[in-house]
Amino acid sequence: DIQMTQSPSSLSASVGDRVTITCRASQGISNSLAWYQQLPGKAPKLLLYAASRLQSGVPSRFSGSGSGTDYTLTISSLQPEDFATYYCQHYYGAPWTFGQGTKVEIK
Amino acid sequence: QLQLQESGPGLVKPSETLSLTCTVSSGSISSSNYYWGWIRQPPGKGLEWIGSIYYSGSTYYNPSLKSRVTISVDTSKNQFSLKLTSVTAADTAVYYCARQKRVVTAIPEYYFDYWGQGTLVTVSS
Repeated sequence: DIQMTQSPSSLSASVGDRVTITCRASQGISNSLAWYQQLPGKAPKLLLYAASRLQSGVPSRFSGSGSGTDYTLTISSLQPEDFATYYCQHYYGAPWTFGQGTKVEIK
Repeated sequence: QLQLQESGPGLVKPSETLSLTCTVSSGSISSSNYYWGWIRQPPGKGLEWIGSIYYSGSTYYNPSLKSRVTISVDTSKNQFSLKLTSVTAADTAVYYCARQKRVVTAIPEYYFDYWGQGTLVTVSS
């Protein structure tokens, strides 16, 4: 099974900050990666797929990059509604697994 | 707008079977472009994929749960269901159903693009 490791597990940031979250796969996944945002008490919401493709309706301040085993989610200018937990998920063959999550908190 | 709604008991006794149903509305479960999946999240923890089903009935299961999990589909009702046997307190979680993109090309796509609101299932006597 492919293991997904996110870093950091949590971070504190201010509104307007640039935030970067990293996801590392235990083997190459050929950009078969999605990012999700989960607000407290809510279901996860798809942000990006194929490592860098923005899901319809998602603000352009969210972007993704990476290749091979290493991927990043970047929020260019953090907004109040972005304080949430973010998960990566690979889909390079079943079983499909998620990272452990990165909680973005208000500084 | 596609909607998914989980339903089922919120409390299950240890050693018994957890049963949940997901009803899909404003969209057909028989689309060739999607799988339909179950994901769970223990309180305060991360997401765990349980399994997914195609409208034809073909399934994928998480190996860690495979011996206890059955996912089925009822296309006439636009529903799919989860059964998890021999539950323990470790199975206490919010259970989500979700639509999973199915693109079988040189670069396959299997991400979850629509989610239900989730339902908390507590395992306790």
